[in-house]
Amino acid sequence: DAGVTQSPTHLIKTRGQQVTLRCSPKSGHDTVSWYQQALGQGPQFIFQYYEEEERQRGNFPDRFSGHQFPNYSSELNVNALLLGDSALYLCASSPGTVQETQYFGPGTRLLVL
Amino acid sequence: GENVEQHPSTLSVQEGDSAVIKCTYSDSASNYFPWYKQELGKGPQLIIDIRSNVGEKKDQRIAVTLNKTAKHFSLHITETQPEDSAVYFCAASKGAGNMLTFGGGTRLMVKP
Repeated sequence: DAGVTQSPTHLIKTRGQQVTLRCSPKSGHDTVSWYQQALGQGPQFIFQYYEEEERQRGNFPDRFSGHQFPNYSSELNVNALLLGDSALYLCASSPGTVQETQYFGPGTRLLVL
Repeated sequence: GENVEQHPSTLSVQEGDSAVIKCTYSDSASNYFPWYKQELGKGPQLIIDIRSNVGEKKDQRIAVTLNKTAKHFSLHITETQPEDSAVYFCAASKGAGNMLTFGGGTRLMVKP
């Protein structure tokens, strides 16, 4: 049983560009959450998707947007990249409203130059 | 919103000793408290969790305690081994379907 997978593993962009990160949840999980982890800090919640809709959102600007597909996979889009967007982006999946446990993928390391 | 504080930020122990990491939370509505271990270059891995209707939970060398009145919870690792070296994060949430709020992390170093 594959766990949470994310792609790409690493990405380098320049300021002002746009980026799309992808996540496939653990088998049987229908909820996907995205977190941003700056170097040396704990993950910060960006938003959560359930039934193809954004269910919760953290304190992130509208430049951060997402999408969930019918197969429960998800994308995170960031527009107008800033240097401060450089971080590890983590995807976590969970079985919806059934259980609280969130399982994390390996993350995508984004560097903005 | 919820705020989770974690201490210490770094912890160095000798192999075989015990390690304790403490967290406090602010929102009394939080009822689920997981602990994650993150190794270099990897995503956080769940190692143990506890719900608010339980005061203590143990899994081999790892245990977690919860004091709802004081709003704090702790991770205890006994008989530490070099492979326990990693960054540990505590987190809190209001249950299924809710976001996790993380502490700042503790870098644990186990010296052989």
